[in-house]
Amino acid sequence: SYVLTQPPSVSVAPGQPARITCGGNNIGSKSVHWYQQKPGQAPLLVVHDDSARPSGIPERISGSNSGNTATLTISRVEAGDEADYYCQVWDSSGDHPVFGTGTKVTVL
Amino acid sequence: EVQLVESGGGSVQPGGSLRLSCAASGFSFTTYWMHWVRQAPGKGLVWVAKINSAGRITTYADSVTGRFTISRDNAKNTMYLQMNGLRVEDTAVYYCARGADDYSGNSGWLDPWGQGTLVSVSS
Repeated sequence: SYVLTQPPSVSVAPGQPARITCGGNNIGSKSVHWYQQKPGQAPLLVVHDDSARPSGIPERISGSNSGNTATLTISRVEAGDEADYYCQVWDSSGDHPVFGTGTKVTVL
Repeated sequence: EVQLVESGGGSVQPGGSLRLSCAASGFSFTTYWMHWVRQAPGKGLVWVAKINSAGRITTYADSVTGRFTISRDNAKNTMYLQMNGLRVEDTAVYYCARGADDYSGNSGWLDPWGQGTLVSVSS
């Protein structure tokens, strides 16, 4: 099964950028999707197809994908961005979605 | 408003059974793949099972194959997860989520997600 690796945690001061990485073998050849999960809530899709934002997601949130690393960037972090973030790709061999290990973003 | 609402969770002893339901509204349920994803306490997201729009194609994670059965009733806009032979390690919040529609193929992202239902397996 395809493995996606994320850093366990990222800490950032308010107003600064946060970058969350998602590593996978040649992940640049796949479409990467990102979810935000706040405590006690269901995951929320924030980026799909590497860099597309669903309706209602602020422009401060963006994504990129190349080589062996995909990145979710939150520019000008706010207290409300504190959450767990998961990347996801489609495992073509198993024909199912695969999630990253998750990254907890803490706003200092 | 597109909405998914899970129900049916609860506490059960090892070896027991539960049936989860996911009621969908606000979209054309009959044209979408649907998924179950679970999250053990303090852990990450793990995909469990998927079913195609007509209910004829199903796929399972290795960890639940032979014990769990995914199904759907398109007349009721509802998806199910029958869980038999439950184990302590099945303890998790179970989410239902909408996948791709018939025109987009069988891949992509999951959106939206339900609020989840907690399944607790212990003796």
